[in-house]
Amino acid sequence: GAVVSQHPSWVICKSGTSVKIECRSLDFQATTMFWYRQFPKQSLMLMATSNEGSKATYEQGVEKDKFLINHASLTLSTLTVTSAHPEDSSFYICSARASSSYEQYFGPGTRLTVT
Amino acid sequence: AQKITQTQPGMFVQEKEAVTLDCTYDTSDQSYGLFWYKQPSSGEMIFLIYQGSYDEQNATEGRYSLNFQKARKSANLVISASQLGDSAMYFCAMILNKFYFGSGTKLNVKP
Repeated sequence: GAVVSQHPSWVICKSGTSVKIECRSLDFQATTMFWYRQFPKQSLMLMATSNEGSKATYEQGVEKDKFLINHASLTLSTLTVTSAHPEDSSFYICSARASSSYEQYFGPGTRLTVT
Repeated sequence: AQKITQTQPGMFVQEKEAVTLDCTYDTSDQSYGLFWYKQPSSGEMIFLIYQGSYDEQNATEGRYSLNFQKARKSANLVISASQLGDSAMYFCAMILNKFYFGSGTKLNVKP
C-alpha cells in the first residue's frame, strides 16, 4: 500500500517557540493532504485540508495564523505550530490522498509536547 | 450534526471469539464510502476495510468483515477469531467531501 511518513515522530519544545512537522507521500503523488489532531482518548479532529499549490482550507475554530500549512509539492506538506503553548500539546496526524482515489493514507503521527 | 456514531466506548471479548463493533452514519448523499481503522497504542492509523455505498456485497478482508445495512445506515465491523493483538482503538469513518470519524471503540481482547 501507499506509504506516508511524518517527521519528527515526537518533539518537545518550549512555550513560545515554533515547531514544523513534515508529511511526505513516499510512493505516490498526493494532490490533497489532511492534517488532524488527536487528544488522548479522543477521536481525530480534522484541522485543515491542503491541495498542492493552493492555500489550505481550515476547519471552523482552527486558527490559520497559528497552524501554518504549506503544500508546496505533490509529495510534501508541512504544518508549523507557531508560538506553541502547552495546550497545543497533542498528537498530530497527516494523511494524503491521490487524485485517482478517495482513500486516505495516514502518516504515523507526531507527538508534540510543549513545556 | 454527528455524522458517524459509535455507541460502544469500550468492549471486551474473549480470545478466539468473534466481536461486532457498531457504527451508524448519517448522510443524504447517495455516494459515500465507509472505512474502519485500527489505532494501537503507538498511534498509527491502520486501514482495515472499506465499503462503497454502491457495493452490494459486504466487504471482507481476512478476519474482518463489514456488515453493511444501507437502509439502517449501519456499517458494523465484525472481527472473527479475536487475537490478543486486536486490542486497540477502532474508528469508523465516512468519506463525503472529507473524512468524518466516529468517537472510537476501545477493544480489549482477554486471554
